[in-house]
Amino acid sequence: ETGVTQSPTHLIKTRGQQVTLRCSSQSGHNTVSWYQQALGQGPQFIFQYYREEENGRGNFPPRFSGLQFPNYSSELNVNALELDDSALYLCASSFFETGAYGYTFGSGTRLTVV
Amino acid sequence: RKEVEQDPGPFNVPEGATVAFNCTYSNSASQSFFWYRQDCRKEPKLLMSVYSSGNEDGRFTAQLNRASQYISLLIRDSKLSDSATYLCVVNMGVYNNNDMRFGAGTRLTVKP
Repeated sequence: ETGVTQSPTHLIKTRGQQVTLRCSSQSGHNTVSWYQQALGQGPQFIFQYYREEENGRGNFPPRFSGLQFPNYSSELNVNALELDDSALYLCASSFFETGAYGYTFGSGTRLTVV
Repeated sequence: RKEVEQDPGPFNVPEGATVAFNCTYSNSASQSFFWYRQDCRKEPKLLMSVYSSGNEDGRFTAQLNRASQYISLLIRDSKLSDSATYLCVVNMGVYNNNDMRFGAGTRLTVKP
């Protein structure tokens, strides 16, 4: 059974650029949730994907968007990067029908915007 | 009011000490509750679920008070390896039963 994998592990971008982060869900999981974790803070919910559709969204602007593919992997896209977007981006996969039990995180992508 | 609020910490304790973390949540309809542990620059990992009757896992005891919307974690006989950030996590159930919201975390340092 493979775990959740995220790529890339680290990334440096310039303000105003666009970035795409990727997440492969754990085998058997069908839901992917994305979180932003700024330094010294807890993870903040960005959005969740289930059945290739957005299934809930936190307090993030529209320049944060995502996709889920038929194999349940997911992408997070951020346009017009701002310095405050610098953070650890975590994805978590789960099996929708069993709920929050079995939530599994990837090791994250550390994004630095300069 | 924040969705999930935790003791700000940090907590610095000697080995062998007992330490307690507290957490409150805003949504009375929340469905499930967890404590996660996060080591420096790593992803969060599940420490334990929290059940209504309270539950224990070795040196760790979790309690839930639904009436007060309050969760606690007690660590007995602290070890150096317990040093980490502890995240209170609530399944808010706003969108579905996978709607996990995190507190800001409480940092624990256990010293020799």
